[in-house]
Amino acid sequence: EAQVTQNPRYLITVTGKKLTVTCSQNMNHEYMSWYRQDPGLGLRQIYYSMNVEVTDKGDVPEGYKVSRKEKRNFPLILESPSPNQTSLYFCASSYNEKLFFGSGTQLSVL
Amino acid sequence: DQQVKQNSPSLSVQEGRISILNCDYTNSMFDYFLWYKKYPAEGPTFLISISSIKDKNEDGRFTVFLNKSAKHLSLHIVPSQPGDSAVYFCAVPSGAGSYQLTFGKGTKLSVIP
Repeated sequence: EAQVTQNPRYLITVTGKKLTVTCSQNMNHEYMSWYRQDPGLGLRQIYYSMNVEVTDKGDVPEGYKVSRKEKRNFPLILESPSPNQTSLYFCASSYNEKLFFGSGTQLSVL
Repeated sequence: DQQVKQNSPSLSVQEGRISILNCDYTNSMFDYFLWYKKYPAEGPTFLISISSIKDKNEDGRFTVFLNKSAKHLSLHIVPSQPGDSAVYFCAVPSGAGSYQLTFGKGTKLSVIP
């Protein structure tokens, strides 16, 4: 089954403790992206990658890092999480404008 | 810079009636416009798109209309069903790359049985 898999689904952490949210797709898509969804703000792009070893900032990249060492994986790294990064995160992949999204990761930073 | 506005945060419609969701954008340079649908606890899923050379695209109960001169999109759902209750996002290319999309804030549709 074609899918984008994010882990974990839920995560509660404390300020400053490094964490990684994993994202993997099995559709051989070159394009991958991370979004965050916040009440009243919709979906905002954090980072995206057009291909392996090619990443670029989206609209809200501050406090996040990504890497794209292989085509299928695109992890999101929070080196020092802060409470304002409490949000619902979505990974997406695509071969055209029709994005495929993962089921989301609800992150709470205390 | 692309801005996308969905001015109605929520909409309630009786089952069987028409739902109309609206979206305005600022930059009309691009070739396509999309709608995504999101249920609670799931990721958004692609619903329907429209090419900039068309003014209407229909897929079953869902029709998207494009008014390029007004920079306005609308999504019509006829007839509305309770299973259509979800958040609907309008998405427009943002220009940074061919798959870069700017999303609206979403409209939460509630279809009342």
